[in-house]
Amino acid sequence: AQSVTQPDIHITVSEGASLELRCNYSYGATPYLFWYVQSPGQGLQLLLKYFSGDTLVQGIKGFEAEFKRSQSSFNLRKPSVHWSDAAEYFCAVGWFDGGSQGNLIFGKGTKLSVKP
Amino acid sequence: DAGVTQSPTHLIKTRGQQVTLRCSPKSGHDTVSWYQQALGQGPQFIFQYYEEEERQRGNFPDRFSGHQFPNYSSELNVNALLLGDSALYLCASTLYRAYNSPLHFGNGTRLTVT
Repeated sequence: AQSVTQPDIHITVSEGASLELRCNYSYGATPYLFWYVQSPGQGLQLLLKYFSGDTLVQGIKGFEAEFKRSQSSFNLRKPSVHWSDAAEYFCAVGWFDGGSQGNLIFGKGTKLSVKP
Repeated sequence: DAGVTQSPTHLIKTRGQQVTLRCSPKSGHDTVSWYQQALGQGPQFIFQYYEEEERQRGNFPDRFSGHQFPNYSSELNVNALLLGDSALYLCASTLYRAYNSPLHFGNGTRLTVT
């Protein structure tokens, strides 16, 4: 069965420190992957996406992610966190298996807190 | 360029009642997906509509139904509401089978069932 795991429920980092949020998926077909961010009471904003090609992708707000097929991972990174980055982050995965592109499997999310 | 818009933003209903949520997709998009996000969880796929037909469905009971109109807007209907239906309902739009076109989400409708 298809699944997406974000092993860290809550992470706290100091402002200016680096950040890495983990995401792993399981399923045999070729995936396409996303990271979304959600502020309290809001919808989901797309940070970045990977469909094919270069496995290191750049997104908005200084975020980047690297797709590692051998590890079934798509970790999100940022070199220097800002207080405004505090939010909940969701990894989402779809699969090129003939299904619809709108059916994504989401992880349970990682809540990021930023210490001043 | 208007993004995905949803209405209403908040809704309170009583157990057993029926509810209709509405969504207008991003300009240029023809496909609408609905997701349910329970408190503290990631969004879960309910179903997707394209060309006014349900194209794919997640693991949700028949109490959840939908509709898409010729202008691509969509409705989500939930009958016989249960307390467990309390959640944020998110609408997302995209271009059908355009895998390079990511989902764009609205801000959601917060449904509370009492």
